[in-house]
Amino acid sequence: AQSVTQLGSHVSVSEGALVLLRCNYSSSVPPYLFWYVQYPNQGLQLLLKYTSAATLVKGINGFEAEFKKSETSFHLTKPSAHMSDAAEYFCAVSKGGAQKLVFGQGTRLTINP
Amino acid sequence: DTEVTQTPKHLVMGMTNKKSLKCEQHMGHRAMYWYKQKAKKPPELMFVYSYEKLSINESVPSRFSPECPNSSLLNLHLHALQPEDSALYLCASSQGPLAWREPTDTQYFGPGTRLTVL
Repeated sequence: AQSVTQLGSHVSVSEGALVLLRCNYSSSVPPYLFWYVQYPNQGLQLLLKYTSAATLVKGINGFEAEFKKSETSFHLTKPSAHMSDAAEYFCAVSKGGAQKLVFGQGTRLTINP
Repeated sequence: DTEVTQTPKHLVMGMTNKKSLKCEQHMGHRAMYWYKQKAKKPPELMFVYSYEKLSINESVPSRFSPECPNSSLLNLHLHALQPEDSALYLCASSQGPLAWREPTDTQYFGPGTRLTVL
């Protein structure tokens, strides 16, 4: 079964510092991977998705993620954190499209002034 | 426009009440989804509709009854709920089956309905 594991339920960084949110996947077939962000009391917003076209994927709000097959990872990064990045981030995997998304447990990102 | 709308934003109901949640999209998507999200947890899939037909039911109790009257609208009818059903209910839509063979389909989520069962 396909699954994702997010390392660290809570990550705290200073404003302007590098953001690194970790996601490892488990899949016997090429996965389709997504990062979503959820701001307080809101729905989920797509940040970016990996669909095998390129290993480095750029998303919205300055985020990007790199697919590393050898490490079965799809970590999310942003060079410089902004206060508005504080939110819950979910990594998700889908097989052959988006019919069934399986989400990781989420990582809450806190930004310190 | 990638907007999915959900009404109401908040709903409080008793265990004997009957209520409905509504979800709407005008992106021409042919797949629509209901998710349940408990506090500090990821969303869990409940139902999937494709071309207005129920294609996936993730063993959801019958007190939750989905309905897809047309390609733009998705309802979730609630009856005799329990306090543990209190959660954020999220609706999503995507292009649908024609895109499911390609790695391009993306689910777009609405803002959710915060449900409290007393």
